Amino acid sequence: GAVVSQHPSRVICKSGTSVKIECRSLDFQATTMFWYRQFPKQSLMLMATSNEGSKATYEQGVEKDKFLINHASLTLSTLTVTSAHPEDSSFYICSAYPGQEGNNQPQHFGDGTRLSIL
Amino acid sequence: DAKTTQPPSMDCAEGRAANLPCNHSTISGNEYVYWYRQIHSQGPQYIIHGLKNNETNEMASLIITEDRKSSTLILPHATLRDTAVYYCIVRFPRGYQKVTFGTGTKLQVIP
Repeated sequence: GAVVSQHPSRVICKSGTSVKIECRSLDFQATTMFWYRQFPKQSLMLMATSNEGSKATYEQGVEKDKFLINHASLTLSTLTVTSAHPEDSSFYICSAYPGQEGNNQPQHFGDGTRLSIL
Repeated sequence: DAKTTQPPSMDCAEGRAANLPCNHSTISGNEYVYWYRQIHSQGPQYIIHGLKNNETNEMASLIITEDRKSSTLILPHATLRDTAVYYCIVRFPRGYQKVTFGTGTKLQVIP
C-alpha cells in the first residue's frame, strides 16, 4: 500500500534554531501534501496544503513566515520551523493522497515528527 | 465537508466486538465516510471507507445507515493493540481535498 515517510521522527533543539522536517511519498507521486500539528491530548489541526511547484496554502492563523513549506518534487515536501521557540513544540504530521485526483482513495499519513524546543 | 460527531470515549473488553458510532447528519450524496485511528505518538492509520454499502476488510467492518446520516465502525474481536483514538471523517472524492479532524473517540480495550 501507499507509504508516506517522515524524517526525523524526533527532534530536540535549542530555542532560536530552525528545524526542517521532510515528508516523502515512497511509492507514489504526490502533487499535494498536507501538514498537520497536534498538541498533547488534542486532535490533528491542519496547518497548510503543500503544492508541488507552487506556493503552499496556509490555514487561518498559521504564520507562513514561521512555517516555511517547500514542495520541490513530486515525492518530497519539507516543513521548516524557523526560529523555533518552546511554544512550537508539538507533533507534526504530513499526509498525501495516492492515485489520481478525484478518486475516493484515502489519504495516507506519515508517522509524525515529535519536535521539542528547549 | 460534512461535520461529524463521535462520543469522546468508549471501553471494550478484550475479545469482544467494539462498535464505534459516528453521526454525520449533514452528509451529502457523494460524500464518502472514512475511518482512521491513531495509536499514541503515531500518525493516523487508515482503516476503512464507504459510500452507502456496508464494507468489510481485514481490519474492520463499516455499517452505514440507509439514510447515510450515521455509521458504525466494528472491530469484531478487539485486542489491546486496538486501544487508540478513532476518527470518522466525511469528504467528497474530489481533488486532493483537505480534511478536518474532529475530536474522535478514545477506545480503551480492557484486559
